Amino acid sequence: DAKTTQPNSMESNEEEPVHLPCNHSTISGTDYIHWYRQLPSQGPEYVIHGLTSNVNNRMASLAIAEDRKSSTLILHRATLRDAAVYYCILRGLDNTDKLIFGTGTRLQVFP
Amino acid sequence: EPEVTQTPSHQVTQMGQEVILRCVPISNHLYFYWYRQILGQKVEFLVSFYNNEISEKSEIFDDQFSVERPDGSNFTLKIRSTKLEDSAMYFCARVTGMVKNTEAFFGQGTRLTVV
Repeated sequence: DAKTTQPNSMESNEEEPVHLPCNHSTISGTDYIHWYRQLPSQGPEYVIHGLTSNVNNRMASLAIAEDRKSSTLILHRATLRDAAVYYCILRGLDNTDKLIFGTGTRLQVFP
Repeated sequence: EPEVTQTPSHQVTQMGQEVILRCVPISNHLYFYWYRQILGQKVEFLVSFYNNEISEKSEIFDDQFSVERPDGSNFTLKIRSTKLEDSAMYFCARVTGMVKNTEAFFGQGTRLTVV
């Protein structure tokens, strides 16, 4: 699977925007960029995914660099409930169906 | 209402005993996965199951593990003779299609404690 690099941890204050970066310099043209998160004591939860264009949904926005070698997950207003480990995962035609989880970024949100 | 329900939420078993973990999807989908997460470690892929057959399995998924869909609805993971190192959270997930362009729905997990 194509590799991604994320910071181990980040911090934010409640109601502030959060930008979670992910580097994927070896991404191929057919790789989709997926983000999942895992709240404490819960299973992973889908957040968002995209291919080339920026994407928005009710949970977050995904900004994809023009060369696709990096992306940023944007939480527009962090809440305490957003404290979780966020995983950036690449999925493509060359990969099998499974999701491969790395160590992700642990986001702490302070009131 | 959760997309995937797992039972039990917590199971304690003695080393060497067999355990069966269950996963019940709300909808009748074809793609299922089992993952595990040892405390403090990464979420690890175990096996994928498509159309009632194993499509891929990891090195972790050895002969002690098996998966079934016994009644066309429930999806089970069996560990024949549990070891202490099998203690972990086990997550079931389902997807509607090829996971590269679809979202996976994970259950809340079963915490397995082997003593």
